[in-house]
Amino acid sequence: DTGVSQDPRHKITKRGQNVTFRCDPISEHNRLYWYRQTLGQGPEFLTYFQNEAQLEKSRLLSDRFSAERPKGSFSTLEIQRTEQGDSAMYLCASSLAGTSGSYEQYFGPGTRLTVT
Amino acid sequence: RKEVEQDPGPFNVPEGATVAFNCTYSNSASQSFFWYRQDCRKEPKLLMSVYSSGNEDGRFTAQLNRASQYISLLIRDSKLSDSATYLCVGGMNTGFQKLVFGTGTRLLVSP
Repeated sequence: DTGVSQDPRHKITKRGQNVTFRCDPISEHNRLYWYRQTLGQGPEFLTYFQNEAQLEKSRLLSDRFSAERPKGSFSTLEIQRTEQGDSAMYLCASSLAGTSGSYEQYFGPGTRLTVT
Repeated sequence: RKEVEQDPGPFNVPEGATVAFNCTYSNSASQSFFWYRQDCRKEPKLLMSVYSSGNEDGRFTAQLNRASQYISLLIRDSKLSDSATYLCVGGMNTGFQKLVFGTGTRLLVSP
């Protein structure tokens, strides 16, 4: 499978615990994005990496959230001291950046987080 | 006011019908537009990009009207498998492409 993959697919955690999600983008894609989607809403942008550099963060990304992409390949999203409001689907997407303007983003299957 | 607005539906149509969705965007700086399809509890999947000249892919036709800031999607000869939520998306190329999603329009195609 050459698409975007995410792990785990589901995570149930107790309030106050830390969780970490992983995303493996399409191999030739140098841009990687994290989004959050809650029920009845469209995905909301959280953060963006070009290669290993995190170039943009949304105001939605509080201090409890941190994302890394250490070698410009896979990325991790960590949430510390989870709150019930963090329950959502966390989606990763990747894209190419090229002169042809191919900016289409392709999404992984998501990690569904439930905070109890 | 949301940056991308869509009628949430649901649109209930019989198989074979033609159905049209519209969405409006408020940020005139938006440069790229897309329709994504999302099945229940699945990830969004790119359906088509939307160009100013309009574009067609099989039974699907997308149009962009920059003057009125709206985007449309037309589905002809609806199939049961078209039942899904259709997300309208605007993108701004500010060094990278930040996508702004609408809340989606739900389509239910019945036999």
